[in-house]
Amino acid sequence: KQEVTQIPAALSVPEGENLVLNCSFTDSAIYNLQWFRQDPGKGLTSLLLIQSSQREQTSGRLNASLDKSSGRSTLYIAASQPGDSATYLCAVRQGPGNTPLVFGKGTRLSVIA
Amino acid sequence: NAGVMQNPRHLVRRRGQEARLRCSPMKGHSHVYWYRQLPEEGLKFMVYLQKENIIDESGMPKERFSAEFPKEGPSILRIQQVVRGDSAAYFCASSPIRDRIGTEAFFGQGTRLTVV
Repeated sequence: KQEVTQIPAALSVPEGENLVLNCSFTDSAIYNLQWFRQDPGKGLTSLLLIQSSQREQTSGRLNASLDKSSGRSTLYIAASQPGDSATYLCAVRQGPGNTPLVFGKGTRLSVIA
Repeated sequence: NAGVMQNPRHLVRRRGQEARLRCSPMKGHSHVYWYRQLPEEGLKFMVYLQKENIIDESGMPKERFSAEFPKEGPSILRIQQVVRGDSAAYFCASSPIRDRIGTEAFFGQGTRLTVV
């Protein structure tokens, strides 16, 4: 059974700092991995989608990497801003097409001005 | 193109009542998923539906919970005889037509159910 773990559970950093969020999964046979952002009381916003054949994806100040063989992904946030404060969720898709996602519990990020 | 629409955003029910949660997928998406997020927990998959078909309900509790996605209209998650433990945020996601590689999921704002 796939399990997704995110470390740390919470992180507080000063504005401007670069930071890395970690995600690990127990079964490396995944089809893709998706990073989401969730603001308090809100829904999920998709940040980056990495297919199993890819090593990384970039969007603005965000860079996500995937090491499928070791069961790890990282989300790198450059030059953090207070507006980046949110919970970041990692989710893997175990099968092709529209197989449901398996989520980690998230990392709660606070960026202090 | 509107995103995934869920309503209501907040729902309060007394123990024993029924809760109905609605989800309209993004235009052009024919696959709908329901996930539940308990306090301080990650999202857990409940059920995956296509129009008029339940594809995977392995995450649904065996009793009191049901889901449908009719030919016309939104997908409905129905919880009968709610109990306090059903209090959670319920999220709906949609994806476009199935292809060979993994597709991106788009989520709604969620319905926050409180059972009093």
